[in-house]
Amino acid sequence: QVQLQESGPGLVKPSQTLSLTCNVSGDSIRSDNYFWSWIRQHPGKGLEWIGYIYYSGRAYYNPSLKSRVTISIDTPENHFSLKLNSVTAADTAIYYCARGERANFDSWGQGTLVTVSS
Amino acid sequence: QSVLTQPPSASGTPGQRVTISCSGSSPNIGSNYVYWYQQVPGTAPKLLIHRDNQRPSGVPDRFSGSKSGTSASLAISGLRSEDEADYYCAAWDDSLNVVFGGGTKLTVL
Repeated sequence: QVQLQESGPGLVKPSQTLSLTCNVSGDSIRSDNYFWSWIRQHPGKGLEWIGYIYYSGRAYYNPSLKSRVTISIDTPENHFSLKLNSVTAADTAIYYCARGERANFDSWGQGTLVTVSS
Repeated sequence: QSVLTQPPSASGTPGQRVTISCSGSSPNIGSNYVYWYQQVPGTAPKLLIHRDNQRPSGVPDRFSGSKSGTSASLAISGLRSEDEADYYCAAWDDSLNVVFGGGTKLTVL
């Protein structure tokens, strides 16, 4: 059974870059059956898709975040990563990594809270 | 404001049947599959329904999904206390985006 685990700083200063990694176990990130995704949830709010990536490195992003987001994949290490630059307080959220694409996310990490504050 | 529209709240008593609606438009629900997620407070969302009306392995058959045109619904029959959670609908949008509903908080009275 696949398991996903987010890791990274819980506090980021405004204007800096948020960086998170999702470690995948129980499945190969090289699987051609799946995309690997990032989704966030602002405190007390709904879900927002950030983007996803295929093992080939092809990535797709939410148009509203596209200019600030980079998702990358490291197949030997079986993990994928998120970078969100020029963060503001509006980027404070729980960040989830998940397996899947096109709204079909069948496995999720537990989520990690990232706070943007000086 | 979410692209998909859900009622903010719903409620029912144990044993009842409850439905949660999700309204979209042609580029999303009208053209693509709908997915439903259950999120118990403090935990990650869990896939409840995929491809409009299919249940993943392990999801009780008390949960069912349907779709008609640009709207979808999640029905929960035989309501139980452990069903108290937030429920989200989601769909791919032809603008190359995943869109979610704002979520419905289900209270079991």
